[in-house]
Amino acid sequence: KQEVTQIPAALSVPEGENLVLNCSFTDSAIYNLQWFRQDPGKGLTSLLLIQSSQREQTSGRLNASLDKSSGRSTLYIAASQPGDSATYLCAVQGAQKLVFGQGTRLTINP
Amino acid sequence: DAGVIQSPRHEVTEMGQEVTLRCKPISGHDYLFWYRQTMMRGLELLIYFNNNVPIDDSGMPEDRFSAKMPNASFSTLKIQPSEPRDSAVYFCASSLLSYEQYFGPGTRLTVT
Repeated sequence: KQEVTQIPAALSVPEGENLVLNCSFTDSAIYNLQWFRQDPGKGLTSLLLIQSSQREQTSGRLNASLDKSSGRSTLYIAASQPGDSATYLCAVQGAQKLVFGQGTRLTINP
Repeated sequence: DAGVIQSPRHEVTEMGQEVTLRCKPISGHDYLFWYRQTMMRGLELLIYFNNNVPIDDSGMPEDRFSAKMPNASFSTLKIQPSEPRDSAVYFCASSLLSYEQYFGPGTRLTVT
């Protein structure tokens, strides 16, 4: 059974810092990995999707990497801003099913 | 595109009542997913459909839960009878083939 773990559970940093969120998964037989953002009381917004054949994806200040063999992914956020404060969820897809981590609650302090 | 649409956004009901949650997927998407999110268990997949056919309902917690997709543009998740432990946020998502899933805003269900 696939299990997804995100570390740390919560992170608080001052504005402007670069930061890394971590995601690990137990079964490397995945089709893709998605990073989502969830604001309090809101739905999920897809940030990046990395296919199993890819090593990384970039969107603006966000960069996600995937090391399928070691079961790890990282989400790098450059020059963090208060608007980046949210919960970030990692999800791996095997067949059609997405299995989610518990998320990292990120707070960017002005 | 309007994205995935869910209704109602909030539902408060008494234990024992029937609850019906609704979802309209993104036009042209052939997969539809129902998830439940709680503080204790995080996000869990309940059931998903492909071309209106239920493919995997192994995440449905018990027989009180049922889901239907009568056509490509509409799905329902029904709980009958509802219990306080069903209180959660229920999300619907859709995708084209097996690619990126797009989530709706969710329905916050409170059962008293």
